[in-house]
Amino acid sequence: KAGVTQTPRYLIKTRGQQVTLSCSPISGHRSVSWYQQTPGQGLQFLFEYFSETQRNKGNFPGRFSGRQFSNSRSEMNVSTLELGDSALYLCASSPYESRAGRAEAFFGQGTRLTVV
Amino acid sequence: TQLLEQSPQFLSIQEGENLTVYCNSSSVFSSLQWYRQEPGEGPVLLVTVVTGGEVKKLKRLTFQFGDARKDSSLHITAAQPGDTGLYLCAGSNRDDKIIFGKGTRLHILP
Repeated sequence: KAGVTQTPRYLIKTRGQQVTLSCSPISGHRSVSWYQQTPGQGLQFLFEYFSETQRNKGNFPGRFSGRQFSNSRSEMNVSTLELGDSALYLCASSPYESRAGRAEAFFGQGTRLTVV
Repeated sequence: TQLLEQSPQFLSIQEGENLTVYCNSSSVFSSLQWYRQEPGEGPVLLVTVVTGGEVKKLKRLTFQFGDARKDSSLHITAAQPGDTGLYLCAGSNRDDKIIFGKGTRLHILP
């Protein structure tokens, strides 16, 4: 069974630009969550999608948005990039919605975004 | 706001030694997970604990969920260099999002 695939693996963008990251979940998984990981803050939850609907959202500004398609693939978009957006962005898929109280998540390798 | 506090933040020990790391909260969780993350990779799920007092073993790793389901520990016996990594705990409750601790960075010296 293929794992979670994130593309691209590495990205360098300039302040003010926008970026779109992609995530293909494990086949059969309907929940996709996105996280931002930085050395200082650790893993911070961005949002969760389940069956194309955003189920939960973390405390990030509106510049961060996402969507999920009917095949469960998901994209995350960050507009008007800031230097502080430099981070490892991780996507995780799960057969369960987080509201079910089960948190098993299978992570991709992440996209390393550097904003210069 | 739910928080998961992990301790210690950093731990460096010699190969062959035993160690325990902790994950604590003032909140009750319906389940708790442990992950290990290596540099440049995403976290990998090690175990899920669901029942208060539950103990699970994964080779040399022993995971325990507190009786009140507010805390958990991970004990490693005879640590090996391959155990090096960032250990993360995560918890979830019904009708709420998953939260992660900041992790314990473990370094096993050969």
